[in-house]
Amino acid sequence: AQTVTQSQPEMSVQEAETVTLSCTYDTSESDYYLFWYKQPPSRQMILVIRQEAYKQQNATENRFSVNFQKAAKSFSLKISDSQLGDAAMYFCAYRSAKVGAAGNKLTFGGGTRVLVKP
Amino acid sequence: DSGVTQTPKHLITATGQRVTLRCSPRSGDLSVYWYQQSLDQGLQFLIQYYNGEERAKGNILERFSAQQFPDLHSELNLSSLELGDSALYFCASSPGLAGKGANVLTFGAGSRLTVL
Repeated sequence: AQTVTQSQPEMSVQEAETVTLSCTYDTSESDYYLFWYKQPPSRQMILVIRQEAYKQQNATENRFSVNFQKAAKSFSLKISDSQLGDAAMYFCAYRSAKVGAAGNKLTFGGGTRVLVKP
Repeated sequence: DSGVTQTPKHLITATGQRVTLRCSPRSGDLSVYWYQQSLDQGLQFLIQYYNGEERAKGNILERFSAQQFPDLHSELNLSSLELGDSALYFCASSPGLAGKGANVLTFGAGSRLTVL
C-alpha cells in the first residue's frame, strides 16, 4: 500500500519570505499523480497544485511550485512571497494512475501547519 | 463554492445514535469519495462509489455504511455512534475513474459530527 509522509508538523515563515514543505511517499508504481491541498481554518480542502509522475517538469501555480524528485520519491512544495492568507494546514496526497479499486482514492500525509508572521 | 454540497454542516448527537450525512457531487462527476478527519489528523479514506457502484473501501467500520443513488448523490450512514466517531466527514467527487480529468478530487465543506 502507498504511504505519504510529511515530516514537518509545523513551519513558520515571515510574510513575503519563502517556505518549503517536505513530502515523501512510498510506492512501487511508476505512474501516479501527486497533489498538495490546503486546508485553511474554514476546514475547506482546496487544491493548490498537482504533478503527473510522467512529467519531468515541475508544476507551478503562481507563487506555488513543487520540486518533484521521482527517484527519491520526494515532492516538496515551495510557497514564495508568503501572504497572511497562506496560513493553513497543507496536505500532500498521492493517487495511483491505475484504473480500479486501488487507483481511485487519494492517500494523504499527516499535514504540515504553516504559520505566517506579519 | 466547490460545487460539492454536504449536509448537514454541523451535527451533535449522543452515543448509540444513528446519523446520515448527505453529499451531492459536482455536476457531471460520477465518482464520490468519503473521508474522515479526526481532530488535527490527516484524512482517512472510507469508501468510494462510481456511478452507483462501490469501487473501493478503506478503513470503514462495520457500523458505517454508504450508498450512491441513481441521481448520483451519496449518503454515509453512521450507527451505534461512539465518542471516537466525532470528526469532520468530507465528501469529494471526481469526473471518473482514470484519465487526465478524472484525477482531481473536489471536496465539499465537510460535515462536523460531535458525539456526546
